[in-house]
Formats: sequence, C-alpha cells, structure tokens
Amino acid sequence: QQQVKQSPQSLIVQKGGISIINCAYENTAFDYFPWYQQFPGKGPALLIAIRPDVSEKKEGRFTISFNKSAKQFSLHIMDSQPGDSATYFCAAREDQAGTALIFGKGTTLSVSS
Amino acid sequence: NAGVTQTPKFRILKIGQSMTLQCTQDMNHNYMYWYRQDPGMGLKLIYYSVGAGITDKGEVPNGYNVSRSTTEDFPLRLELAAPSQTSVYFCASTRDSGVLEQYFGPGTRLTVT
Repeated sequence: QQQVKQSPQSLIVQKGGISIINCAYENTAFDYFPWYQQFPGKGPALLIAIRPDVSEKKEGRFTISFNKSAKQFSLHIMDSQPGDSATYFCAAREDQAGTALIFGKGTTLSVSS
Repeated sequence: NAGVTQTPKFRILKIGQSMTLQCTQDMNHNYMYWYRQDPGMGLKLIYYSVGAGITDKGEVPNGYNVSRSTTEDFPLRLELAAPSQTSVYFCASTRDSGVLEQYFGPGTRLTVT
C-alpha cells in the first residue's frame, strides 16, 4: 500500500501561473514532510519542508500548506518560471531507526513560456 | 566538500553479472541510504545504515547487499543482476536522526540486458 499518494502525475502551467501539487498520507507517526526537486540527470534536492505542528511554511515563491486533520499537504509555486520545470516529490519521515524517507511517485512540472 | 559522490554514472550489465555501486560522503554523516528510482514510481528504499558496522533492510532489499565498514563509504552490491534491477540508484546521507535534510548523490543509471 502506497503510504504517500501524490497528484497530479504531470502538470503544465503558464509562466507566471500558480503550480499546485498535492500529497496525502495515512501514517500519523510521520513527523516531517519535505518536498524534493529533481532536474533531469540529477539527484533530488531538498526544496522546502514542514513539521506537522505548523500549517504553512513559505520560502520565496514556494509554500507548503499542511492540513493535519485531513492528512494532506501541498506545494504551491507562485509566479511559476520555466526554470521551475522539474520533477517534484513529496515525502514523509517516520521517526524510527533509520529515519528514511517515504516518497510519493512524483509530479513532472512543465512551465511554458 | 564534495558532498555525496557515486560511481559509476552509467553501467550496462548482462543478466547474471555482478557489480558494486560505490557511494562516498565527506560530511561525516552517520546515516546513509540507498534508494532506487523507477519511472513514475518515486524512490524506494533498498538498504540503510545508521553507522559503521550497522545496516538494515528497506522496502525493496531483494537482490542487493550492503556493507558499511567506514563512516564515509556505503557500497551497494548487486549479485546475479536481473532485468528488474534496471533503474537509477541514488545514495543519500544525513548526519543523524535529529537532522532532517537528506543529501543525495547524482545517481547511477544501471541497465541490465
């Protein structure tokens, strides 16, 4: 069973528009929710992350909205730019030995100019 | 700091061959991870290590082995390669469970034919 469900699989947004990617989880033991950005041929890199005791976190044009009761969180990219075209992964971490991340399946974002 | 380095970048194996994917980090991180990434499937944890001499299985360990003799190195061994092991492999590290960000290497693209 997939522990972190991500949607949509792909997204096309006009330059200057808002990109929204959604994730849902089931395990209430998750204590950390990062978003990773991956460009073709590169490894994932941390973009922004949130803890479940916070409902929103903003860093520049990137915002995470977190709804603990609904067990959902989303990434909003404001004023999307062609340079934002990449694959985005949501993830969750359970605070146990190893603390590995559980990833969603990814969203491929294309920002058209 | 070079961060997390992986070698080789690309490799083609024949069915039944064996190989070792190398991973080295120079950040003195205790926790290291191996993930595999398949198209449209996100990243799945193969093995992880919380320190030298300590390793444990992740979600998809079958067909792989790891060792951790030093803090810096975490090689992944493929025995009897199968087409199902065609994937992109990423190594990642973090200092310990109190540090949230995982740092990823550039990946190794492996094809088994």
